[in-house]
Amino acid sequence: KAGVTQTPRYLIKTRGQQVTLSCSPISGHRSVSWYQQTPGQGLQFLFEYFSETQRNKGNFPGRFSGRQFSNSRSEMNVSTLELGDSALYLCASSPNRVQRTGELFFGEGSRLTVL
Amino acid sequence: EDKVVQSPLSLVVHEGDTVTLNCSYEVTNFRSLLWYKQEKKAPTFLFMLTSSGIEKKSGRLSSILDKKELFSILNITATQTGDSAIYLCAVERGAGGTSYGKLTFGQGTILTVHP
Repeated sequence: KAGVTQTPRYLIKTRGQQVTLSCSPISGHRSVSWYQQTPGQGLQFLFEYFSETQRNKGNFPGRFSGRQFSNSRSEMNVSTLELGDSALYLCASSPNRVQRTGELFFGEGSRLTVL
Repeated sequence: EDKVVQSPLSLVVHEGDTVTLNCSYEVTNFRSLLWYKQEKKAPTFLFMLTSSGIEKKSGRLSSILDKKELFSILNITATQTGDSAIYLCAVERGAGGTSYGKLTFGQGTILTVHP
């Protein structure tokens, strides 16, 4: 069974630009979560999608948004990039058993550098 | 707000040593505590501990959960260079809107095992 796939793996942007990251979950997994990982803050929860609906959201500004498609693939978008948005963005999927998070399966991440 | 604190933040040992990693937590409506290993990019799942399963073991790794004192430890015996990684502790809340897809992570412990 293929794992969680994230694209692109690396990207460099400049301040003010926007970026879109993509995530394909494990086949059969319907819940997709996004996390930001930085050396200073560690892993922080961005949002979670299930059946094309955002069910939960972390404490990030509105510049961070996402969506999920009918095939469970998900994208996240960051607009008006700031230097502080440089981070590893991790996507994770889960089968969503009995309305719980439980074990998350993470992708390799997208490393974003903002210059 | 949920909080997870790991200690030590970094640890350097030699092959064959035994290490103990600590994780203390504060969470509303605790449901589970999870340990992950992050070698390069994707965190990989190690253990999940709940009220009904407070001790887990897999090969040289073992973990216990103390729900009364709100902490967990991860033990690694007979360490190998392949154990070098960041070890992440995370907690999950009970079911509900604020829990979907969300794990609260600690800062992680960077373990370096020298030959």
